[in-house]
Amino acid sequence: AQSVAQPEDQVNVAEGNPLTVKCTYSVSGNPYLFWYVQYPNRGLQFLLKYITGDNLVKGSYGFEAEFNKSQTSFHLKKPSALVSDSALYFCAVRDRDSNYQLIWGAGTKLIIKP
Amino acid sequence: DTEVTQTPKHLVMGMTNKKSLKCEQHMGHRAMYWYKQKAKKPPELMFVYSYEKLSINESVPSRFSPECPNSSLLNLHLHALQPEDSALYLCASSRAGDRGLTDTQYFGPGTRLTVL
Repeated sequence: AQSVAQPEDQVNVAEGNPLTVKCTYSVSGNPYLFWYVQYPNRGLQFLLKYITGDNLVKGSYGFEAEFNKSQTSFHLKKPSALVSDSALYFCAVRDRDSNYQLIWGAGTKLIIKP
Repeated sequence: DTEVTQTPKHLVMGMTNKKSLKCEQHMGHRAMYWYKQKAKKPPELMFVYSYEKLSINESVPSRFSPECPNSSLLNLHLHALQPEDSALYLCASSRAGDRGLTDTQYFGPGTRLTVL
């Protein structure tokens, strides 16, 4: 069955340090992977997606994600964290076996400390 | 422009009330979605409209009734809700129907619903 795992409920990073938010997936076909961010009391904002091609995907607000097929991972990264990056991050995967719909990870709360 | 708008931002209703949530997009997208989200949880899919036809109903109770009057508008009619229905209701849209695997879903800001 299709699934997405975000193994960390919360990630704490000091401002200016690099950050990584982890995501692993399980799908039967080709994975189409997405990252979204949700600020408090707001809707979800699209950050980036992997469809095919280059394993390093660049997205909004300086975020990037690395697709690793052998490890079935799609970790979100940023070289230098900002306090304003503090938010809830969701990884999602979409494929035919999920009735073409997004399967969501549980979410990771990212806290950037000044 | 990737904007999806939702009204109202907040809604408080009693269990006997009838209310509606509204969603609008002008990106020419042909799939529209309703999600329910509880605090700090991922969104749960409720309904999907593809080319203005209901294509997915995720076994949602009949007290929630979706409507897609045209390709830009999506409504969610609410009647006889329960307190456990209190949540953030999110609307989303995507470009080419609900089977566009690579299409991005763009979300509105949501309606915060409280059922008393």
